[in-house]
Amino acid sequence: SQQGEEDPQALSIQEGENATMNCSYKTSINNLQWYRQNSGRGLVHLILIRSNEREKHSGRLRVTLDTSKKSSSLLITASRAADTASYFCATASSGGYQKVTFGTGTKLQVIP
Amino acid sequence: GAGVSQTPSNKVTEKGKYVELRCDPISGHTALYWYRQSLGQGPEFLIYFQGTGAADDSGLPNDRFFAVRPEGSVSTLKIQRTERGDSAVYLCASSLSGGKETQYFGPGTRLLVL
Repeated sequence: SQQGEEDPQALSIQEGENATMNCSYKTSINNLQWYRQNSGRGLVHLILIRSNEREKHSGRLRVTLDTSKKSSSLLITASRAADTASYFCATASSGGYQKVTFGTGTKLQVIP
Repeated sequence: GAGVSQTPSNKVTEKGKYVELRCDPISGHTALYWYRQSLGQGPEFLIYFQGTGAADDSGLPNDRFFAVRPEGSVSTLKIQRTERGDSAVYLCASSLSGGKETQYFGPGTRLLVL
């Protein structure tokens, strides 16, 4: 079962614009991660934000987490054609090992 | 190795046949995970190994699915009596110790059951 839902399901922007994707989840978490997937194959880990963090940056990526609303957002600034991919949020539960539950994904298209 | 590898990249089989999918994790990673991703969906958890043992197999859909990791490194996902609904991309990931840490994914095996 999917823990999270990404919004929007699909997003098309011009190169240079910013892209914002949102993720909502249902249960309490230890951390939340964002992954990128090209062409339906291997996932690339982008960033991890812990439940006691509110914002995190990595290069052109900015992730926010609001545990009271059970939501997160991923902002990609100054998008490039190479950013075209599907983006997934994944949540890890509070107990035990890193059992990760993925959302349904946002398909981003960056038009050159 | 440098990353997680999976073989084969693609597998086409007929309904009712048996298939094996292989995952070679990053050297030294004790935790290994299998996921299944259907078209248009996010990956869904199947099974987690810590060392040689399956610590959590709650995601396996039924008893046609089985996975092993006999020496704590390479893992094989086995599917008996395949059905068309088993068609998906099967992803493997590994992490250093299975704690709250990053999982590194392989490129996946695309299984098509005709």
